[in-house]
Amino acid sequence: EVQLVESGGGLVQPGRSLKLSCAASGFTFSNYYMAWVRQAPKKGLEWVATISTSGSRTYYPDSVKGRFTISRDNAKSSLYLQMNSLKSEDTATYYCASHPLFDYWGQGVMVTVSS
Amino acid sequence: DVVLTQTPPTLSATIGQSVSISCRSSQSLLHSNGNTYLHWLLQRPGQSPQLLIYSVSRLESGVPNRFSGSGSGTDFTLKISGVEAEDLGVYYCVQGTHAPNTFGAGTKLELK
Repeated sequence: EVQLVESGGGLVQPGRSLKLSCAASGFTFSNYYMAWVRQAPKKGLEWVATISTSGSRTYYPDSVKGRFTISRDNAKSSLYLQMNSLKSEDTATYYCASHPLFDYWGQGVMVTVSS
Repeated sequence: DVVLTQTPPTLSATIGQSVSISCRSSQSLLHSNGNTYLHWLLQRPGQSPQLLIYSVSRLESGVPNRFSGSGSGTDFTLKISGVEAEDLGVYYCVQGTHAPNTFGAGTKLELK
């Protein structure tokens, strides 16, 4: 059974940092591009970052470029999202998902940026 | 960035009714490799999104065949032939042809 389990969320003050993790199992993680997608409360889905199978290529929208860093450890079947200089508008549930088909999703982890 | 416009934003249906959702793109989603990376997701209340249809019309494994997708270029449609209670939630189209990936705003399917 495919599983993606996110962790690391919580309440953080504006300007601070947080690192999310996503543990994968049930599929050959190293063969998949992976992505982070977020959903602000009562809002739609927003793509946050994508990483290639080896980790050598990463992609971000302008809204997080320079603040967020996606990375992976294929030996541990794990995906990460380092989030720096957090803003209130980064408040959302963050999902890890397989890419480009978005066929596997985690349960999501909540990040709240507030003073 | 590619903008995906979904209509209608809300859809009210009775059980057994057939419904369609439109997703229109601001650019053609035909990739240079000949594929069209337009997918459909369903997010049930309180759950993570799940893939229903990928590459316009291919049914994801385990998804009932009352779901079907069609379209090309910039105009795409998801059809549900006979809505069931478990189909309620928000439907999203998403494109993977052009960077950055973008999602439609969603169509909420509710019971009439």
